[in-house]
Amino acid sequence: EAEVAQSPRYKITEKSQAVAFWCDPISGHATLYWYRQILGQGPELLVQFQDESVVDDSQLPKDRFTAERLNGVDSTLKIQPAELGDSAMYLCASSPSGGQGEAFFGQGTRLTVV
Amino acid sequence: GDSVTQMEGPVTLSEEAFLTINCTYTATGYPSLFWYVQYPGEGLQLLLKATKADDKGSNKGFEATYRKETTSFHLEKGSVQVSDSAVYFCALSDPGGRRALTFGSGTRLQVQP
Repeated sequence: EAEVAQSPRYKITEKSQAVAFWCDPISGHATLYWYRQILGQGPELLVQFQDESVVDDSQLPKDRFTAERLNGVDSTLKIQPAELGDSAMYLCASSPSGGQGEAFFGQGTRLTVV
Repeated sequence: GDSVTQMEGPVTLSEEAFLTINCTYTATGYPSLFWYVQYPGEGLQLLLKATKADDKGSNKGFEATYRKETTSFHLEKGSVQVSDSAVYFCALSDPGGRRALTFGSGTRLQVQP
């Protein structure tokens, strides 16, 4: 069964350092999302891509977060500099064209900023 | 904007008990509705979906019916198992808009043997 791949699974970093996460969506899925999930809460959208274009990044803290999907396939989310409040689960998801809005999630990257 | 409200947890049940987790939504237009399940330390798995009023989504013994008149999508299961212990998220997607999922805050279910 096709899956969304994310790496790393866990990341511990010191505040003010840079950190990056990688995502490879299900093959053929044009839409890719990055969500942030704070412990005990539901996921919140950070950025949405359609192919290589950003569709929605209204909730992305652009002073420190960057997201890229240069080849229209895999994607990288970077945080620089990391802050203590960035500790969360970062989830990548993808959706097929013509679907009803369902998204398929990777296992996530658990980030701890110390 | 769009929003989803779920009952607060944790919900604690004995094995074989009946489960209901309430979910209501606010949206412009006619959203698609979803239930996702999250096991500890894992990502979200799609449990079931419904795309129009009166549709019933079902999977693994779980069911939910899209009720437009009450803007609800309550999750039910007739007999829960210990393995159903997880966090359940209700979500919506607006097919006419950006389509990204909007999630509720989640409801933790604990099933005791």
